[in-house]
Amino acid sequence: GAGVSQTPSNKVTEKGKYVELRCDPISGHTALYWYRQSLGQGPEFLIYFQGTGAADDSGLPNDRFFAVRPEGSVSTLKIQRTERGDSAVYLCASSRTADDTIYFGEGSWLTVV
Amino acid sequence: KQEVTQIPAALSVPEGENLVLNCSFTDSAIYNLQWFRQDPGKGLTSLLLIQSSQREQTSGRLNASLDKSSGRSTLYIAASQPGDSATYLCASDDGGSQGNLIFGKGTKLSVKP
Repeated sequence: GAGVSQTPSNKVTEKGKYVELRCDPISGHTALYWYRQSLGQGPEFLIYFQGTGAADDSGLPNDRFFAVRPEGSVSTLKIQRTERGDSAVYLCASSRTADDTIYFGEGSWLTVV
Repeated sequence: KQEVTQIPAALSVPEGENLVLNCSFTDSAIYNLQWFRQDPGKGLTSLLLIQSSQREQTSGRLNASLDKSSGRSTLYIAASQPGDSATYLCASDDGGSQGNLIFGKGTKLSVKP
């Protein structure tokens, strides 16, 4: 597609469950980013991939969060043992290179009940 | 650690007015600074990217300037229109990781017809 695609767009899950969020970046973009945004706040950095490898994962809040990009294209953000505090919009973005314009997807709205 | 602050938090102007949104950052050793627009319930749209070696960028009615030494950037919107109503976010890296963007909380702009 022409833009960054994220699925699901909305996800409601019970506390303690496992969740996967998927991101399809723009074709040819080597850099991929995950951010999290809470209401009234700017996006908060989680992790950044350059190709298949995580170039910077310093924003992952704890070991319940994990992300992969096995073939250097699609990425999956995985959250184990979800907590109510994980409720937020999870934004994925991509760019041709790390110093290029960043393009965001529409986000995956996660609600943990 | 880089901190990004945006002032004002909210701004309401009549249609046709020129306006300036402000962004300040604490660490001047940045690779670039970007301005984004976010509509309610949507992802972010990149407006302008200013590389660290540049002083300003222009796109249509938008002009963004960057003064690294003072840690400031401004977004100038000329002849504002109701369609410009949105939240405007600025983001910069912290000089250590180009992929780790630090966002401000945004300025919510309302342009009244």
